[in-house]
Amino acid sequence: AQKITQTQPGMFVQEKEAVTLDCTYDTSDPSYGLFWYKQPSSGEMIFLIYQGSYDQQNATEGRYSLNFQKARKSANLVISASQLGDSAMYFCAMREGWMNRDDKIIFGKGTRLHILP
Amino acid sequence: NAGVTQTPKFQVLKTGQSMTLQCAQDMNHNSMYWYRQDPGMGLRLIYYSASEGTTDKGEVPNGYNVSRLNKREFSLRLESAAPSQTSVYFCASSEGEKLFFGSGTQLSVL
Repeated sequence: AQKITQTQPGMFVQEKEAVTLDCTYDTSDPSYGLFWYKQPSSGEMIFLIYQGSYDQQNATEGRYSLNFQKARKSANLVISASQLGDSAMYFCAMREGWMNRDDKIIFGKGTRLHILP
Repeated sequence: NAGVTQTPKFQVLKTGQSMTLQCAQDMNHNSMYWYRQDPGMGLRLIYYSASEGTTDKGEVPNGYNVSRLNKREFSLRLESAAPSQTSVYFCASSEGEKLFFGSGTQLSVL
């Protein structure tokens, strides 16, 4: 069963608008973490933001924030005031098992974001 | 600071050939990973190693083997390459709240 689900294969958004990229996850591990990565056309993986399952507040990093709803098992990425340079592939990922010395990290299938001028 | 270094960057193999992808990190991380990326499939975990001396299967381990040679190095071996293994391969390492990636290996199996 898929443990990380990104339901939006592609999105088109007007420049300067806010964007929400969806991510839902499934785990029975009480200790887990959620990442978002950006992959531009150059292919490199760029870290954006991280949320731990025990973190009380939603993570924020500049224009990026993570809307963490633990009961719904969702960890949506919000990009405020989108820019043309935000056009890229975005991946949600989940880390679990590290409390048991396992530390497995798996990714969703990604969302391709296109910012329109 | 080099971070995660993987070699080679490009490789073309014939069906049935073998090869090893090398990965090394200089950040003293315990956890290391191998992923493959295919269009529409995201990054899929092949194998991972949560500490020196341990390795575990990920989501798509068939056709691959790994070796955690020491804390720095984690290699991925294709014993008998198949066209279905044509992909971009990423090595990564982690300690805490970030996953650090290598620059990727583009592998084509003809």
